[in-house]
Amino acid sequence: GQQLNQSPQSMFIQEGEDVSMNCTSSSIFNTWLWYKQEPGEGPVLLIALYKAGELTSNGRLTAQFGITRKDSFLNISASIPSDVGIYFCAGQLRGSQGNLIFGKGTKLSVKP
Amino acid sequence: NAGVMQNPRHLVRRRGQEARLRCSPMKGHSHVYWYRQLPEEGLKFMVYLQKENIIDESGMPKERFSAEFPKEGPSILRIQQVVRGDSAAYFCASSPGVPVSTQYFGPGTRLTVL
Repeated sequence: GQQLNQSPQSMFIQEGEDVSMNCTSSSIFNTWLWYKQEPGEGPVLLIALYKAGELTSNGRLTAQFGITRKDSFLNISASIPSDVGIYFCAGQLRGSQGNLIFGKGTKLSVKP
Repeated sequence: NAGVMQNPRHLVRRRGQEARLRCSPMKGHSHVYWYRQLPEEGLKFMVYLQKENIIDESGMPKERFSAEFPKEGPSILRIQQVVRGDSAAYFCASSPGVPVSTQYFGPGTRLTVL
């Protein structure tokens, strides 16, 4: 099946540091979405990207839809303890019916 | 505006029993998606439904699994004759249709098969 390569797999950072994570694929996507999941909960939508090159911010979060439409990154600035969780990228393939393909997640730990 | 609702949140079944998972989409959403998540993994697509229609079931196992989204009432994911390998978290998402892929997820149902 189609794969999304998400990296890094995990990050251990100090409070206040900036964080960057990304997803890449060999396939072209129409949409990129970034979600955050906390233990025992469902994924919460953070940012949605619909156009190649699009750069969108949501508070301290910034995400971009790659020009080639095969990648996306998420940056978190000035991390705080409540940023802890697993961050997933998800994309809708060009020509698909609407189902999302998910990366395996980036587990973020923030040390106060 | 209430989010996506799923129940039950936790479900325990013995091998061979049936599991029924329910999902009520967000108000105004007519598209429903079901995903399965194993521990330490991302979500895997199972099925996409609109009211009374299955649009894409390419991720559904061919046997024992079925889904419906009737004209009235919640969407149901049904697993017959459960096996231990069915133990997972099952998430439902809904979208308004435009743009289709902006999907909002429910809290999930954690199925444990004994």
